[in-house]
Amino acid sequence: AQSVTQLDSQVPVFEEAPVELRCNYSSSVSVYLFWYVQYPNQGLQLLLKYLSGSTLVKGINGFEAEFNKSQTSFHLRKPSVHISDTAEYFCAVTRSNSGYALNFGKGTSLLVTP
Amino acid sequence: DSGVTQTPKHLITATGQRVTLRCSPRSGDLSVYWYQQSLDQGLQFLIQYYNGEERAKGNILERFSAQQFPDLHSELNLSSLELGDSALYFCASSAAGGGQETQYFGPGTRLLVL
Repeated sequence: AQSVTQLDSQVPVFEEAPVELRCNYSSSVSVYLFWYVQYPNQGLQLLLKYLSGSTLVKGINGFEAEFNKSQTSFHLRKPSVHISDTAEYFCAVTRSNSGYALNFGKGTSLLVTP
Repeated sequence: DSGVTQTPKHLITATGQRVTLRCSPRSGDLSVYWYQQSLDQGLQFLIQYYNGEERAKGNILERFSAQQFPDLHSELNLSSLELGDSALYFCASSAAGGGQETQYFGPGTRLLVL
């Protein structure tokens, strides 16, 4: 079985400040890891994904994430956020041994204020 | 624009009724996924089709069914609707349904059951 835990349901931050959104996963097999973003009244858009190789993954809009196998974590970071980053962020996994669907965390609501 | 289209955008119906949600995947994508997003359950995988065949099932109720047609569009049928079925229903597509592939999400269909 696998599950994804997003440790913060809401993260308020001031514009131009750094932010980290935390994600932990549990799985008995290797996983692929994803971060998706959902802007208000829109569908989900891929920010970045980890498949293998370098544990630091860079994505769109200045976001990056680090895969840590020993801590089973995949935290998302941005050094300086903008108002436009206000959105819901979802961490998700798929299993490596079959083409299965995304298993999502509960989401973290990022609110960026001036 | 992800290239995935969903119709209708909004649907309001009554308990006990039946509705059909439609999804057209990105051009060339063979795999279609359906997800349900609700406040209490979060984002949950319902069902996956690959090239017309059912590939994986998630937390899909027996009252719900889906199919993928030869032109690769997919329909999700929801019957004997209950208040608790009110949710946002997303369709996503990927090239071949592999666990490492990016899934591209449509804008969703918002269903309200009264």
